[in-house]
Amino acid sequence: DTGVSQDPRHKITKRGQNVTFRCDPISEHNRLYWYRQTLGQGPEFLTYFQNEAQLEKSRLLSDRFSAERPKGSFSTLEIQRTEQGDSAMYLCASSSRQSSTDTQYFGPGTRLTVL
Amino acid sequence: AQKVTQAQTEISVVEKEDVTLDCVYETRDTTYYLFWYKQPPSGELVFLIRRNSFDEQNEISGRYSWNFQKSTSSFNFTITASQVVDSAVYFCALNYGGATNKLIFGTGTLLAVQP
Repeated sequence: DTGVSQDPRHKITKRGQNVTFRCDPISEHNRLYWYRQTLGQGPEFLTYFQNEAQLEKSRLLSDRFSAERPKGSFSTLEIQRTEQGDSAMYLCASSSRQSSTDTQYFGPGTRLTVL
Repeated sequence: AQKVTQAQTEISVVEKEDVTLDCVYETRDTTYYLFWYKQPPSGELVFLIRRNSFDEQNEISGRYSWNFQKSTSSFNFTITASQVVDSAVYFCALNYGGATNKLIFGTGTLLAVQP
């Protein structure tokens, strides 16, 4: 299967701990996005990479959040000093700028629960 | 401001009924793209359709059809002869282009198809 993959699928942590999520995009997709989805809401944009460059960060992404995409392949999203308000589904998507449609395809998400 | 409104929070139908999910969007851009995604209980967002602002032709794909009307800023989605497997949350999303290609989602409509 060549879809977007995310790891882990579920993460339970205690308040104050650091967590890191990984996203592997569809191969050859040069654009990668992170979104956050809370219960009963639609996904909200967090950040965007084109190749290895992080080109935009939402104001939702506080200084406790950091994202990287080394070598323009997989990406990681780290949350430091987690808070209960960080509990959400974190979704990764990828698309190809070369594609005429540039449609974003989503991974299965990582569900974070902060106790 | 860019915004997507899905006024229907929940819809319940009986199998084989037709159902229409409403989507109203706001944007000042003349070039934009509209999407529908399906999110089944497993949580993964599944791409259904992408429509650009210059193409107002309605589209039909099997039991699914979409009605795009720029005059009313609406992009409605109809499922004909609904099935239990159609039960999911459906999201409408707007992409107004720009540098990031980010999606702005509505709050979603939960569709429950009863057998």
